[in-house]
Amino acid sequence: NAGVMQNPRHLVRRRGQEARLRCSPMKGHSHVYWYRQLPEEGLKFMVYLQKENIIDESGMPKERFSAEFPKEGPSILRIQQVVRGDSAAYFCASSPVGSNEQYFGPGTRLTVT
Amino acid sequence: DAKTTQPTSMDCAEGRAANLPCNHSTISGNEYVYWYRQIHSQGPQYIIHGLKNNETNEMASLIITEDRKSSTLILPHATLRDTAVYYCILRDSGGSNYKLTFGKGTLLTVNP
Repeated sequence: NAGVMQNPRHLVRRRGQEARLRCSPMKGHSHVYWYRQLPEEGLKFMVYLQKENIIDESGMPKERFSAEFPKEGPSILRIQQVVRGDSAAYFCASSPVGSNEQYFGPGTRLTVT
Repeated sequence: DAKTTQPTSMDCAEGRAANLPCNHSTISGNEYVYWYRQIHSQGPQYIIHGLKNNETNEMASLIITEDRKSSTLILPHATLRDTAVYYCILRDSGGSNYKLTFGKGTLLTVNP
């Protein structure tokens, strides 16, 4: 059973460009969570999604950030018009129905130049 | 507000037990104590959790004091691969317990 997969592992974007981060949950998992880890900080919750639904986006910045988890395909975290402060590691976790135990992916390291 | 307090860093000799403390003096009755670790450049990995009783699994043991205001994670025979940041997290049993709140954790360095 493959673990949570994230791609790309490293992403470099210039200021003003868009960043798209992908997360494929573990097989059989229908819940996805995104976390952001700024340099020298702990992970901070951003958003919780189930298939085709955003359950809780209280940790997501109000502008430029969006997330989706379509019926088919991976979950996408989209950051529009990136700024240097968006440089961070973005982690995705997944859990199966009926459980809140989260299994984390390896993360995507976004660098904004 | 920091709900848990952990030392910034600790060292341990390879093969010895690593004892990582965590203070959570304001823990509420329905909050579990969870431990995760993050090896450099990887995602967090679940280790163990408990409510009141001590717990043991193949990775570690968790000792929770009787008043539940502190706990200790024990890695019985630390190896070099156990070098990581260890996070102590409180997680309630309510509806929003999916939000894991990570502090800065303890950087454990296992030395040869």
